[in-house]
Amino acid sequence: SQTIHQWPATLVQPVGSPLSLECTVEGTSNPNLYWYRQAAGRGLQLLFYSVGIGQISSEVPQNLSASRPQDRQFILSSKKLLLSDSGFYLCAWSVLLGPNEQFFGPGTRLTVL
Amino acid sequence: DAKTTQPPSMDCAEGRAANLPCNHSTISGNEYVYWYRQIHSQGPQYIIHGLKNNETNEMASLIITEDRKSSTLILPHATLRDTAVYYCIVRGGTPLVFGKGTRLSVIA
Repeated sequence: SQTIHQWPATLVQPVGSPLSLECTVEGTSNPNLYWYRQAAGRGLQLLFYSVGIGQISSEVPQNLSASRPQDRQFILSSKKLLLSDSGFYLCAWSVLLGPNEQFFGPGTRLTVL
Repeated sequence: DAKTTQPPSMDCAEGRAANLPCNHSTISGNEYVYWYRQIHSQGPQYIIHGLKNNETNEMASLIITEDRKSSTLILPHATLRDTAVYYCIVRGGTPLVFGKGTRLSVIA
């Protein structure tokens, strides 16, 4: 069966520090991968998605970047965190980009102080 | 992509059916209707999706009107664990984009 992992589960970082969140998927090949962010009291915002190694689509211009160095690994990064980067970061995967189920990871709760 | 409209909140008595409406009047022919839910501090969970026929699975039923301009998610016997934010999403071949959803509170 397929599983999706995210780490760390929680993170507290000072403003201006770098960030690296990792997401890995097991049990499937060539998944589509997604990063979402949910700010406190707000909806889920799609940040990036990837249909293959090295292929990244950005949905919203921001202080973050994403990379896919391996087929089942998706990394979210920032060189300098802002207060507004605080939120709940969710990674997801799907078999297809089209009409099919997206499976979400457990999330990383980031607090920038 | 078509926009969806959902009520911000609803209450449902435990054991009764919860009927969650969604309007998507601008849906196009190749777009599906998806339903997800998010329990507090967890990632969204897939519930069901459909194109034009009604669908049923172990979690819920999805009723889509004949003109496809609206749909209803039915939880046949709501329990306290069904308290969550429910998202109706209309999408074709692109990633899912979540709106504000409906906050369903199941009351004992």
